[in-house]
Amino acid sequence: AQSVTQPDIHITVSEGASLELRCNYSYGATPYLFWYVQSPGQGLQLLLKYFSGDTLVQGIKGFEAEFKRSQSSFNLRKPSVHWSDAAEYFCAMNSGYSTLTFGKGTMLLVSP
Amino acid sequence: NAGVTQTPKFQVLKTGQSMTLQCAQDMNHNSMYWYRQDPGMGLRLIYYSASEGTTDKGEVPNGYNVSRLNKREFSLRLESAAPSQTSVYFCASNDGSYNEQFFGPGTRLTVL
Repeated sequence: AQSVTQPDIHITVSEGASLELRCNYSYGATPYLFWYVQSPGQGLQLLLKYFSGDTLVQGIKGFEAEFKRSQSSFNLRKPSVHWSDAAEYFCAMNSGYSTLTFGKGTMLLVSP
Repeated sequence: NAGVTQTPKFQVLKTGQSMTLQCAQDMNHNSMYWYRQDPGMGLRLIYYSASEGTTDKGEVPNGYNVSRLNKREFSLRLESAAPSQTSVYFCASNDGSYNEQFFGPGTRLTVL
């Protein structure tokens, strides 16, 4: 079955430290992959997307993600976290029917 | 462009009451979607409309009906609300390809 797994429910990072949020997918071919961010009480905003080509994709707000086919992963990274990055992050996969399958989300807490 | 708009923002219902959540998009998108978001569950697809005149069930359609009124508008109806339908509901749209979906701000629904 197609699925997206985000292994970490919560992550706490110190401000200025680097960040990596994990995402693994299960799909028989190469899916289209997305990272969304949701601030409290808000809708979802797209951070970046991967369709094909370069496995390292750049997004907004200084985020990047790397697609690794061998590991079925699409991890989100940021070199230096700011307090305003505190939010919930969702990995999603489009597996060919125009619908998205979402992971359950990772809540990022940023400590001073 | 307003993007995707949803009304109302908040709603409290009693068990057994009915209501319709409204969604509209001004991006000339073909496809529209309704999700519900529950803590620890991520976003789950309720119904979607791949194009005007068509609707399809998603992962959790029971207890809901939808209407694609025209290309712009896609409504979600709860005929007899139950406490299990307490959730945050998001509408989204895209152009029907594998591109990202654009999300509305959400409707927070409580069923007592």
